[in-house]
Amino acid sequence: DTAVSQTPKYLVTQMGNDKSIKCEQNLGHDTMYWYKQDSKKFLKIMFSYNNKELIINETVPNRFSPKSPDKAHLNLHINSLELGDSAVYFCASSQDLVIDYGYTFGSGTRLTVV
Amino acid sequence: DQQVKQNSPSLSVQEGRISILNCDYTNSMFDYFLWYKKYPAEGPTFLISISSIKDKNEDGRFTVFLNKSAKHLSLHIVPSQPGDSAVYFCAASRGRVNAGGTSYGKLTFGQGTILTVHP
Repeated sequence: DTAVSQTPKYLVTQMGNDKSIKCEQNLGHDTMYWYKQDSKKFLKIMFSYNNKELIINETVPNRFSPKSPDKAHLNLHINSLELGDSAVYFCASSQDLVIDYGYTFGSGTRLTVV
Repeated sequence: DQQVKQNSPSLSVQEGRISILNCDYTNSMFDYFLWYKKYPAEGPTFLISISSIKDKNEDGRFTVFLNKSAKHLSLHIVPSQPGDSAVYFCAASRGRVNAGGTSYGKLTFGQGTILTVHP
């Protein structure tokens, strides 16, 4: 039973389209995150939610909109996709706002914009 | 401006030997550091962490060393096993608690080092 699951695993779409990536965690964690792994392999935080409340919103184009319907879910919607959005997107969760034990990551969604 | 860097893209080690993975950081405000391991097609998995009040933390075969003056940390794996072959990421944070809207408790990752352990 996967702890943090993301769907879809792969997503190929055309420029200008709107797409969503879903994330669910069954760990009972309070905090969830979206990270983007860019072409240089750095993992960069995009958003963080704690108990459905947005707490981190990094410098991300406003075409990216996270939505947390409940604390077990954090979805990422991307409008007007651009070539530069191609990356691997990782969802993660942590028990709370303390990072001592790190995050539990999903397996990633590889987004390719053509 | 990458504040956490892993300058070795890859490392190859013989089974049973020591693997040493290095990480450098530039932000002197970082005071909490973590290592993650990632297998292909999986997300990163937390391995070990260290606070800046320590210079060493050990967990089984894994030991992390922190040199604050050099802004350098390293992960030692002894003995290395083929199952350790993966990408290793270091991460750093200012503080342990994510205070939201601030720089506290946000993990900044390096770009990873591919470790290959040969049988």
